Amino acid sequence: GAVVSQHPSRVICKSGTSVKIECRSLDFQATTMFWYRQFPKQSLMLMATSNEGSKATYEQGVEKDKFLINHASLTLSTLTVTSAHPEDSSFYICSASAPGGYTFGSGTRLTVV
Amino acid sequence: GQQLNQSPQSMFIQEGEDVSMNCTSSSIFNTWLWYKQDPGEGPVLLIALYKAGELTSNGRLTAQFGTTRKDSFLNISASIPSDVGIYFCAGRLIQGAQKLVFGQGTRLTINP
Repeated sequence: GAVVSQHPSRVICKSGTSVKIECRSLDFQATTMFWYRQFPKQSLMLMATSNEGSKATYEQGVEKDKFLINHASLTLSTLTVTSAHPEDSSFYICSASAPGGYTFGSGTRLTVV
Repeated sequence: GQQLNQSPQSMFIQEGEDVSMNCTSSSIFNTWLWYKQDPGEGPVLLIALYKAGELTSNGRLTAQFGTTRKDSFLNISASIPSDVGIYFCAGRLIQGAQKLVFGQGTRLTINP
């Protein structure tokens, strides 16, 4: 089946630094990927839709300059959290529209200290 | 924004019992998906539904796409300890719109 690989699974960074999270489709081409944020005991909140070769579409309230998305190839989308602050600590999950449904990565636990 | 109302929010059951959860909305969906999420992991697809009235099984799991296109349910029969986790429904609102709307989740706890 379609597999989405997300790295890193965990990252701890200092406040003010930037962190890049990668999302790869391993056995299919993903023209569209999605980035979600999930707080403890809550549902997934869509942050943005990443389109290969074009600008991402951000959901209302999501700062595009803070959460930079790049989808330069059909198998890779990246989310960069710029100038991270403790309130950016969360679980970030990517997803891709794949044959048979939407496949999710295993998530990245970001802790900003 | 669009919301899916998922219930119940949590369930505490005995091993071997059947489980039922559902999602409803005031909007019409063309796709319903059911996912399970374990702690620290991404959601894993359980069942995908694409047609109104469709009833699909995956082992002990059964899900249906409501005929009104505004609801879906998921049943788990003869629950086992590994069924513990959070179950999410997700829907795609209109054909061609790719993003999913998620329910709030149902947290399932099983007493052995």
